[in-house]
Amino acid sequence: DQQVKQNSPSLSVQEGRISILNCDYTNSMFDYFLWYKKYPAEGPTFLISISSIKDKNEDGRFTVFLNKSAKHLSLHIVPSQPGDSAVYFCAARGDYGQNFVFGPGTRLSVLP
Amino acid sequence: KAGVTQTPRYLIKTRGQQVTLSCSPISGHRSVSWYQQTPGQGLQFLFEYFSETQRNKGNFPGRFSGRQFSNSRSEMNVSTLELGDSALYLCASSEDGNSGNTIYFGEGSWLTVV
Repeated sequence: DQQVKQNSPSLSVQEGRISILNCDYTNSMFDYFLWYKKYPAEGPTFLISISSIKDKNEDGRFTVFLNKSAKHLSLHIVPSQPGDSAVYFCAARGDYGQNFVFGPGTRLSVLP
Repeated sequence: KAGVTQTPRYLIKTRGQQVTLSCSPISGHRSVSWYQQTPGQGLQFLFEYFSETQRNKGNFPGRFSGRQFSNSRSEMNVSTLELGDSALYLCASSEDGNSGNTIYFGEGSWLTVV
């Protein structure tokens, strides 16, 4: 049973446009969420986080939105750049001491 | 601050052998987690150590084990290797594993079982 879902395996976007990556979760106890970017043969790189007390967090070109009632979060990248082409994972965790649960990832391709 | 360091980066083992992977967390981080990523799969949680104690464990067979030392460095061991164990093994560290702590990954150890 997948607790964290990323229903789009892949996404293609034109350079300069907005990329929107979606993530849904089923466990209402999750209260802290992370997004990672991963290039082939490298470890995931942390991008941005959001806790359940917020509905939005921004860091440069990256913004994460959280809709707790819908158990949905999204990562917006504006403007998209070719270097953003990677696999993006969302992750969620509940109470202290619990492990992060990762989604299966979405492969983003930003076309020049 | 140095990041999470994993060794070795690449290794090839034969079916039936055992392997030990090492992870040095970011200085000051006391929680270390291990994940497995296989081609086309997401990150599957193996286990987490905090203050030398295993705090959480994923759904992997007993062939997968780990430990953490007093300096927070961690090792994982896979015994009786199977072809399906070929994967990228990722180590991640955080300050204390608190819900609000971000985890930071190393570059991973690529294991190929032949």
